[in-house]
Amino acid sequence: GAVVSQHPSRVICKSGTSVKIECRSLDFQATTMFWYRQFPKKSLMLMATSNEGSKATYEQGVEKDKFLINHASLTLSTLTVTSAHPEDSSFYICSARDPRVGGDTQYFGPGTRLTVL
Amino acid sequence: AQSVTQLDSQVPVFEEAPVELRCNYSSSVSVYLFWYVQYPNQGLQLLLKYLSGSTLVKGINGFEAEFNKSQTSFHLRKPSVHISDTAEYFCAVIGSGNTGKLIFGQGTTLQVKP
Repeated sequence: GAVVSQHPSRVICKSGTSVKIECRSLDFQATTMFWYRQFPKKSLMLMATSNEGSKATYEQGVEKDKFLINHASLTLSTLTVTSAHPEDSSFYICSARDPRVGGDTQYFGPGTRLTVL
Repeated sequence: AQSVTQLDSQVPVFEEAPVELRCNYSSSVSVYLFWYVQYPNQGLQLLLKYLSGSTLVKGINGFEAEFNKSQTSFHLRKPSVHISDTAEYFCAVIGSGNTGKLIFGQGTTLQVKP
């Protein structure tokens, strides 16, 4: 299957700082990427849909000013957690839709573990 | 709108035994169905998917799933599990015309014991 990478794999930061997470599709161009958040022992919660060249679409209850998403190119989307607080600590996972594959199939990155102290 | 229910939160099974992880969905439109596996502290890996055609779908690592439209189910099966299959398994659905958003079930933890 297609390969999606995320960087960094884990990050620890102080409360009040901002953290940027990168999501890249390595062997295909993705016009659409998705950002998810996963709490321990829980399923994935869709945060937003990132479309190349346009503004991201956020799910209800997700603060767009808190979680800034930029889809700068067909292979890169970034999620910036601004003014992070301990409650933002979580596992963040991105996915990218491969247009070469039917069924709107999404391929997932390895995730980023964010810990805010 | 679509929804997915994974009926078992945990499934313990002995090595080399068969396993079935259950998934039911609800949707008023046609759907695409997926099974993903997540190993600890990792992202999700696509196991298999049903888009159309044959209702029996074979995936990676010896897994297969059967789409049953009348029962709105997409159960995942493996005839003989290994210790390495211990992981979290997620069933997911995309409804046609749903902007490609995956709707996930709650997940099932498969625990393979020696």
